[in-house]
Amino acid sequence: AQSVSQHNHHVILSEAASLELGCNYSYGGTVNLFWYVQYPGQHLQLLLKYFSGDPLVKGIKGFEAEFIKSKFSFNLRKPSVQWSDTAEYFCAVGPSGTYKYIFGTGTRLKVLA
Amino acid sequence: EPEVTQTPSHQVTQMGQEVILRCVPISNHLYFYWYRQILGQKVEFLVSFYNNEISEKSEIFDDQFSVERPDGSNFTLKIRSTKLEDSAMYFCASRGLLNEQFFGPGTRLTVL
Repeated sequence: AQSVSQHNHHVILSEAASLELGCNYSYGGTVNLFWYVQYPGQHLQLLLKYFSGDPLVKGIKGFEAEFIKSKFSFNLRKPSVQWSDTAEYFCAVGPSGTYKYIFGTGTRLKVLA
Repeated sequence: EPEVTQTPSHQVTQMGQEVILRCVPISNHLYFYWYRQILGQKVEFLVSFYNNEISEKSEIFDDQFSVERPDGSNFTLKIRSTKLEDSAMYFCASRGLLNEQFFGPGTRLTVL
């Protein structure tokens, strides 16, 4: 069955620390990949997306992600987090031939000022 | 910037009652979706809708659920007879020509 795994459920960092959130998926075909962020009390917002081409994609707010096809991974990174990055982060996969997204369980990030 | 809107933001209902959750997708989008997120769990796909019909649905989307686009702007999710386990956050999303979904703020459904 298609699934998306986010191994870090809760992450606590100090400001200026570097961030890497893992995302792995199980699907053998072509996929579109996404990271969404949900700030407290707000809706899901797209951080970045990968459809094809350069596997290193840059998104908003200084976030980037790297697609490693051989590892079925799409990890999210940010070199220096800020207090305002406190939020929940969701990885999502859109398998080709379907209309839906499959979401990971989410990672709650707390950044200490 | 255009956005997806949802009403109400919070709906409380008694078990067995019918509820209708409303969404206004982005105006030139063609694909519409409902997802739900039970508290503490992942966001789950319910159904996708294109060209006035369901294009895909999950096993969660049983006969209790239905979707409709009653006019040119609204997209609704109806739950015929709510159960306690239907309590969740329900997100509507819409998509244009690119495979990028834009999500609404959600409706929190509480079934008592």
